[in-house]
Amino acid sequence: EVQLVQSGAEVKKPGESLKISCKSSGYSFSNYWVAWVRQMPGKGLECMGIIYLRDSDTRYSPSFQGQVIISVDKSISTAYLQWRSLRASDSAMYYCARGYDGGYQYFDYWGQGTLVTVSS
Amino acid sequence: QSALTQPASVSGSPGQSITISCTGSSADVGHYDIISWYQQHPGKAPRLIIYGVNERPSGVSDRFSGSKSGNTASLTISGLQAEDEADYHCCSYSGVRTYVVFGGGTKVTVL
Repeated sequence: EVQLVQSGAEVKKPGESLKISCKSSGYSFSNYWVAWVRQMPGKGLECMGIIYLRDSDTRYSPSFQGQVIISVDKSISTAYLQWRSLRASDSAMYYCARGYDGGYQYFDYWGQGTLVTVSS
Repeated sequence: QSALTQPASVSGSPGQSITISCTGSSADVGHYDIISWYQQHPGKAPRLIIYGVNERPSGVSDRFSGSKSGNTASLTISGLQAEDEADYHCCSYSGVRTYVVFGGGTKVTVL
């Protein structure tokens, strides 16, 4: 069974750093892309960026370039989303999602989401 | 503001059909047949229900269908059921640099 399991909810202060994770199981990890998707409260979905798990080829959507870092540790089938300095506007639900059929245009399996709250 | 425009809400009675529109531009919806739709129940992760404009993943009811005309994609839900009450998000490929763009989501209410 394909599963993407994300790390738990986080409460942070502005300026703090954070790294959340997305651990995959049940499929051949390296042959897929994984995307990170943001959903702000009451809003739609936004694709932040994608990473190819075989070679760590990473591509950021223009709105998120320079704001976050996406990485992967193939040895433990885990993708990461990282902030060096959080802002209150980073408060949102973050999902990881697997690219369908080896591509990155559709996402067939999703993690359960990680809620990030940034507040002083 | 989302890249694709969806109505905030659509409602219908059980058994009826409803259609959700998703308007983009010639750079995304109008240029690529790489359209998908996701269903999201409250507090849950999104679920892929349509890809490639009108293809359904295994296990998705044939009551869901998609279409596209020009810069607008549409999702139709036939034979509306209580379990269809959820948010629906459209998504389009938008080129190598931007990748995929989503709509703002549409809340479907079953009356």
